[in-house]
Amino acid sequence: DVKVTQSSRYLVKRTGEKVFLECVQDMDHENMFWYRQDPGLGLRLIYFSYDVKMKEKGDIPEGYSVSREKKERFSLILESASTNQTSMYLCASSYGLQGQPQHFGDGTRLSIL
Amino acid sequence: SQKIEQNSEALNIQEGKTATLTCNYTNYSPAYLQWYRQDPGRGPVFLLLIRENEKEKRKERLKVTFDTTLKQSLFHITASQPADSATYLCALPSGGYNKLIFGAGTRLAVHP
Repeated sequence: DVKVTQSSRYLVKRTGEKVFLECVQDMDHENMFWYRQDPGLGLRLIYFSYDVKMKEKGDIPEGYSVSREKKERFSLILESASTNQTSMYLCASSYGLQGQPQHFGDGTRLSIL
Repeated sequence: SQKIEQNSEALNIQEGKTATLTCNYTNYSPAYLQWYRQDPGRGPVFLLLIRENEKEKRKERLKVTFDTTLKQSLFHITASQPADSATYLCALPSGGYNKLIFGAGTRLAVHP
């Protein structure tokens, strides 16, 4: 079974802090994705990566950056955390072929105080 | 850009009945559509994919239909059980690299 592991289930940080969220997948997937999920808004794509060191902006990249130095690991960075970044963050991975399902981690619930 | 509409109100049904969830989309018809299940505090889990040339797909008690004329997919759970209670999301392709756009989901509650 595919396993996507997110480093923390719950995280509390202060405004202005630099925050790192880590995600690791064990299936050699080419694609990795970071979403945030807010009530009533569904999943919104922040950034994705289709190969090592390759990344592209999603729909809401402002205030975030990402890093993919190894194929299995995709990190989301909040450069200077703000209260409006309080949310559930979900990482997913998939094979590169169109139509392949995305496999999700269990999320990090991040609170910015 | 593509928009997806799922009923934001929760669907409450009795155990043993068939649950039917709706996913409507605007704009172009996608090459395929996916359905996911999400339990509270967990990430979504893939259930089924249906392609544009397939009218219907089944997997155990699940059935998905895809009507490109109506721009709609229906997701059915027959003989529903309390364990089927969850939020169900539909997703459509959004550009390359296997990107998806997700609906906000419909919460299903199956009562004993």
